[in-house]
Amino acid sequence: DADVTQTPRNRITKTGKRIMLECSQTKGHDRMYWYRQDPGLGLRLIYYSFDVKDINKGEISDGYSVSRQAQAKFSLSLESAIPNQTALYFCATSEPGHHQPQHFGDGTRLSIL
Amino acid sequence: EDQVTQSPEALRLQEGESSSLNCSYTVSGLRGLFWYRQDPGKGPEFLFTLYSAGEEKEKERLKATLTKKESFLHITAPKPEDSATYLCAVQAVSGGSNYKLTFGKGTLLTVNP
Repeated sequence: DADVTQTPRNRITKTGKRIMLECSQTKGHDRMYWYRQDPGLGLRLIYYSFDVKDINKGEISDGYSVSRQAQAKFSLSLESAIPNQTALYFCATSEPGHHQPQHFGDGTRLSIL
Repeated sequence: EDQVTQSPEALRLQEGESSSLNCSYTVSGLRGLFWYRQDPGKGPEFLFTLYSAGEEKEKERLKATLTKKESFLHITAPKPEDSATYLCAVQAVSGGSNYKLTFGKGTLLTVNP
């Protein structure tokens, strides 16, 4: 089983809909992250959480919100989806401290029509 | 602002033809440089962390090196299964306590049999 599991793997929805992407991990890491990946732009950080009570905005948080339900679960919501939020979304986890690599799930491909 | 530039954008090799991928960076105080491999439909898979200039790390046919301005990923006698997108990311002191990773756009490597 994957250490970092994202659901759904693919989602097609319409403009204005509310969408939740979920991430769960079995690595026991405290730190969790949400990124989006767009062709030609690379991976960009949306939100991150260092523990259940700690939520922080990344570089592109507008239009997104997150919830850290437990150490192992971190969900990303799009309250009112718009077409330019069409992208690949990745969840990642890491141990505390710098030099620690982030470990990624296999992503959710989100298309907003 | 931290910047990471990877070159070339795409590289096509014949099996057994060794080459190098480049990652140049501009950051205020490097904490670490990370190399990842990403296969289609998958999340980035961690390969190496490099902390200081002069450091080298090896794994099978891959060898990563680091200077004060750039990192190289050397691929020796590549095989078709080495085909993937290789991502470079830096973690800088300027990122503060969030240990933010700044990613390059990646190099798409294709190894032909």
